[in-house]
Amino acid sequence: AQTVTQSQPEMSVQEAETVTLSCTYDTSESDYYLFWYKQPPSRQMILVIRQEAYKQQNATENRFSVNFQKAAKSFSLKISDSQLGDAAMYFCAYRRGSNYQLIWGAGTKLIIKP
Amino acid sequence: KAGVTQTPRYLIKTRGQQVTLSCSPISGHRSVSWYQQTPGQGLQFLFEYFSETQRNKGNFPGRFSGRQFSNSRSEMNVSTLELGDSALYLCASSFFRGGTDTQYFGPGTRLTVL
Repeated sequence: AQTVTQSQPEMSVQEAETVTLSCTYDTSESDYYLFWYKQPPSRQMILVIRQEAYKQQNATENRFSVNFQKAAKSFSLKISDSQLGDAAMYFCAYRRGSNYQLIWGAGTKLIIKP
Repeated sequence: KAGVTQTPRYLIKTRGQQVTLSCSPISGHRSVSWYQQTPGQGLQFLFEYFSETQRNKGNFPGRFSGRQFSNSRSEMNVSTLELGDSALYLCASSFFRGGTDTQYFGPGTRLTVL
């Protein structure tokens, strides 16, 4: 069975600095997709970034980028120039092929210090 | 384009009762997934519907059921409510193009079972 592990229950960073959130996963599949979602206090789940396993190039979305290490089964999220609005729970999620079931990590609470 | 809507947003029920939650996907989206979020178990997949057919089901008892209508709107039903069913229920819709097809989430329905 596939599993997703986020080992950092909470992280804090100074505004404008860079922070990296960790995620590891376990799968024997070759066709899969990885996602980072953000859940602010409003509880609305918002997609931050996604990565196809077959792509070697790391995905980037503005201040958000990932470090995808396929052999190590690691998928970390880097947030540059942290802003107060980035404060939220961040969830790493895995999806196998065309199966729309997302398997989630436990989440990391990100605190931004002004 | 309107986002995913879920009704009601908040619900209070007592043990033994039954509840129905509704999800309206983004226009044109054909896949609807349901997730349960609790502090103890985190985010867990309930089921996914596509073209009125349940394609995937998570590991939940038969008290949890769902359906999808021809307009892609979906409902989930929980019968014989238990205290442990108190949770945030999230619905997500996607166009169903496979690959990194994004799942867009609604604001959730907060169910409290007394």
